[in-house]
Amino acid sequence: QSALTQPRSVSGSPGQSVTLSCTGTSSDVGGYNYVSWYQQRPGKAPKLLIYDVTERPSGVPYRFSGSKSGNTASLTISGLQAEDEADYYCCSFAGDYTYVFGIGTTVTVL
Amino acid sequence: EEQLVESGGGLVQPGGSLRLSCAASGFRFSDYSINWVRQAPGKGLERISYISTGRRTTYYADSVKGRFTISRDNPNKSVYLQMNSLRNDDTAVYYCARHGYGDAFDVWGQGTRVTVSP
Repeated sequence: QSALTQPRSVSGSPGQSVTLSCTGTSSDVGGYNYVSWYQQRPGKAPKLLIYDVTERPSGVPYRFSGSKSGNTASLTISGLQAEDEADYYCCSFAGDYTYVFGIGTTVTVL
Repeated sequence: EEQLVESGGGLVQPGGSLRLSCAASGFRFSDYSINWVRQAPGKGLERISYISTGRRTTYYADSVKGRFTISRDNPNKSVYLQMNSLRNDDTAVYYCARHGYGDAFDVWGQGTRVTVSP
């Protein structure tokens, strides 16, 4: 199973919106509504931001939102804040107990 | 507070073995499946193993199949990962993660570092 494709880096100014893409295939992202997104700050464990494509766990700020179209999922950060600077990973169910992660996107707040 | 705490990492020679532990607290452990996810230095995340609530179903990524064994002890709220025949490319931080919230990994431990080197 190949890793999902994510841009290596994305940057934005405070207050701006940025969108991170996550491209897979019809066997993973396109085939199931089980895409999740994780934020990982340096030296820390990943933190769940979005599950089942669009759902946000309690405690995750509303500025984080998820969507999907075809084989590509997206995470949008609205109103970018300095604390959002981190690595972001998407993950998709790929059938038969298999999950595949993306290669990760580094978000830089200018 | 719902929490997972890993232990057991360390430095091991190629071909050696290690047993990682993941201790849970703050939630009904027996109701949740548990995963092991690893991250090699400077690399992304790789989900390598899974065990269902009743231990009936286990999963291993191809990269560890036949070398790693996952198990769980529900009364002691713990999951284990027995790692044998370790290779240099097994060097990583190993996280245990709860399978919750729809179909995602919703609670993560802080990770335990495994270094495989002569």
